[in-house]
Amino acid sequence: QSALTQPPSASGSPGQSVTISCTGTSSDVGGYNYVSWYQQHPGKAPKLIIYEVTKRPSGVPDRFSGSKSGNTASLTVSGLQAEDEADYFCSSYAGSNNLLFGGGTKLTVL
Amino acid sequence: EVQLLESGGGLVQPGGSLRLSCAASGFTFSNYAMTWVRQAPGKGLEWVSVMSASGGSTYYADSVKGRFTISRDNSKNTLYLQMNSLRAEDTAVYYCAKAPGGYCSGGSCLNWFDPWGQGILVTVSS
Repeated sequence: QSALTQPPSASGSPGQSVTISCTGTSSDVGGYNYVSWYQQHPGKAPKLIIYEVTKRPSGVPDRFSGSKSGNTASLTVSGLQAEDEADYFCSSYAGSNNLLFGGGTKLTVL
Repeated sequence: EVQLLESGGGLVQPGGSLRLSCAASGFTFSNYAMTWVRQAPGKGLEWVSVMSASGGSTYYADSVKGRFTISRDNSKNTLYLQMNSLRAEDTAVYYCAKAPGGYCSGGSCLNWFDPWGQGILVTVSS
């Protein structure tokens, strides 16, 4: 199975909103609500920011939100801040005890 | 505070073996499934393997099946990854992470991972 498809880069100015897509198939993103998003700053471990498509772990700002439509999941970052500049990865359960990640999106705050 | 600390990485020749460890603290280790995820230099994340809380269920990515073995010692709060027949493409930072629950039914142990360890670098090169 192939990795989920994410745009390699995204950008926005402070205060703006940006949306990152994560496209899969009906066998993964479209078939399960086990979609998660992770934020990774350079040289650091990934950090969970969204799970089960729309849920936010405690401590994650409500500027981060998730959604899904068909085979595409999305992460929206509202009110962009400088510290949001990082790599973002989506993941989805793909059935048969397999997990797929997206290729990652580098978010730049202009 | 939940903490995960990987160790055992390093430089190994192609065809060689290495065992990674992940020491857990701050939670009841024996109640949670645990996973390994890797990241090649400058690349994205790749799921490697997961083991249920009891150790009764284990699953692997096709890329490592038959070469890697995940295990755990709940008395030592430690997760392991035995890596054999290593290839250059196995070069990566390896992270261990905690799954949301103990069981793996219906993919529940592959739902999300939090937290992650700081990672350990494995380099396969001659």
